[in-house]
Amino acid sequence: QKEVEQDPGPLSVPEGAIVSLNCTYSNSAFQYFMWYRQYSRKGPELLMYTYSSGNKEDGRFTAQVDKSSKYISLFIRDSQPSDSATYLCAMSPAPNAGGTSYGKLTFGQGTILTVHP
Amino acid sequence: DTAVSQTPKYLVTQMGNDKSIKCEQNLGHDTMYWYKQDSKKFLKIMFSYNNKELIINETVPNRFSPKSPDKAHLNLHINSLELGDSAVYFCASSPRKTSTDTQYFGPGTRLTVL
Repeated sequence: QKEVEQDPGPLSVPEGAIVSLNCTYSNSAFQYFMWYRQYSRKGPELLMYTYSSGNKEDGRFTAQVDKSSKYISLFIRDSQPSDSATYLCAMSPAPNAGGTSYGKLTFGQGTILTVHP
Repeated sequence: DTAVSQTPKYLVTQMGNDKSIKCEQNLGHDTMYWYKQDSKKFLKIMFSYNNKELIINETVPNRFSPKSPDKAHLNLHINSLELGDSAVYFCASSPRKTSTDTQYFGPGTRLTVL
């Protein structure tokens, strides 16, 4: 079983829809949670990050973390065709974990999202 | 200006060959990484260097050897290439080695082993 599980999709939605992307994880040491967006034939880029349980909002994007359930989500409101990409969740132990945890991100498989006009 | 660049962008080669991929970052970051992304988009860390020192070395065949001549460059040499090495290899950098620093990814090198 992978440490981080993410439904690969693909997910196809009409423009304007609310999109929900999810990841579950098994490692209780994970304390820092990120969402990366990867356009086709490009490298991933950081979209959002959060340390704690609860919600964090940035424009049309909301990241949600539930540490008790080991479950994270990314919501996209009013989705646009330009949101079409692969979305990867990533997580890591606390920043002061040190040792081999330095900079080590564990990624989910990525969900392929298409928003059609 | 390209922040993290990789060369070549595409690499097609035969099984058994040796090849290298180069990475450079102009962000002044201390830490650089190599990731492998397979055909199912699964992205997995391979190595990380901080100021030319190896700090992450995942379970990777020893046919893969990273080298960091200075903190702005991290190269990846692969010996005796196998079919299973076909993937997209991404280089990334971050200001420091802590996991909370944003990692900036290069455009990737698409390796195809025939």
